[in-house]
Parts: sequence; structure tokens; C-alpha cells
Amino acid sequence: GQNIDQPTEMTATEGAIVQINCTYQTSGFNGLFWYQQHAGEAPTFLSYNVLDGLEEKGRFSSFLSRSKGYSYLLLKELQMKDSASYLCAVLDSNYQLIWGAGTKLIIKP
Amino acid sequence: DADVTQTPRNRITKTGKRIMLECSQTKGHDRMYWYRQDPGLGLRLIYYSFDVKDINKGEISDGYSVSRQAQAKFSLSLESAIPNQTALYFCATSDEQREAGELFFGEGSRLTVL
Repeated sequence: GQNIDQPTEMTATEGAIVQINCTYQTSGFNGLFWYQQHAGEAPTFLSYNVLDGLEEKGRFSSFLSRSKGYSYLLLKELQMKDSASYLCAVLDSNYQLIWGAGTKLIIKP
Repeated sequence: DADVTQTPRNRITKTGKRIMLECSQTKGHDRMYWYRQDPGLGLRLIYYSFDVKDINKGEISDGYSVSRQAQAKFSLSLESAIPNQTALYFCATSDEQREAGELFFGEGSRLTVL
């Protein structure tokens, strides 16, 4: 079966750095996506990786290792507004998105 | 105004009732999706449509039906609602010219079936 694993919840301090991991086992791979979802709101697209390596976008970076079935989302200089759930999703061989359950990130002052 | 609009935003109904959730978009995208989100679970695909004449079942289509009335409109129906269909429902769109996993979501429709 297809599976995406990410931690259920993480806590970090304002101004710090946090890394949210995602491991996947899917039927094929056509890209990995990270989304941010604030409580009660819609998910919004953050990043896309299809090749191994690091993609940087401002305070957020996303890393991919296809051989290890592994990705992480790195958030720097954490702000209170970064408190949200972060969803990892993989596009499989049928171009269907398989979603992880999400990681709830709590930022403390 | 939101690019992807869902109505109603909240609905409480009783078991056995027929419910329709509507989605309209102004993004000009051909591809539209219906997902449900439950606590502790990932988003699960119910139905998707790549154009007006194309409707496809997703992972969990049983108990649901859809209608693509126009490029901009995609409705989800629960013919006879049951309590385990209580969930947060999202409509989403995507552009075939961009990465297939980059979705644009509506604000969600919270459905409670008593």
C-alpha cells in the first residue's frame, strides 16, 4: 500500500529553526509537495521537489532524497504565524496526490 | 473574493437527507477535485474532473456523486447522508500547465450528519 509518515505534532520556539520530516512509500514518484494549513482554513501550497536536493524559498526550505523516500521542510526564524499544520503529499505514478496526515506545529514565545 | 468558493461553509443535517456542496472557481482551471479531511487522517480524494466531460472516482467515492456543470462549477452530492460522512470537505483546482500537485483549495465546507 501507499503510505506517508510525518510526526503528529511538534513544538518549537519563536525565532528558532524547526525541521519537519516526511517519509513515503508510494507506487511511483512524480514529485513531493508541502502545504501549510492554518486551523480552520484551506491548505496552501508551499513547495515542490522532484529532484534530489534542497529548494529554498525565503524562510522555508524543502529537501528531497528519492533513494531514501525522505523529505523535510525546514522553517527558519520561526514566527508565531507559522503555527499551523504542515502537510506532505506525494504525486504517485498515476499522478494522484497521496497525503500525509499532517504535522501540527506549535510555536511558543 | 476567493478564487475557489464553496457553499455552504457549514451545514448540519440528519441521517438520510440529501446534501449538495457546491464549488465555483474563477481561476480558469480545467481540473477540479473534491476531498474530505478527517482529524488524524490525510486528505482523501472523493472525485476529480479534468474537464467538463471527464469525471473520475477517487479513493473514497462510495456514497458520493458529483456533477461538473461547467468549467467553473463542480458539485458534490451525498444522496443519503450518514454520520460517518461528517467531515470537512474541500474543493480544489489545478492548472494542467503547472505541476500536477499544486492545488488551489476552497475555504472548506464543514458537514455534520446527526
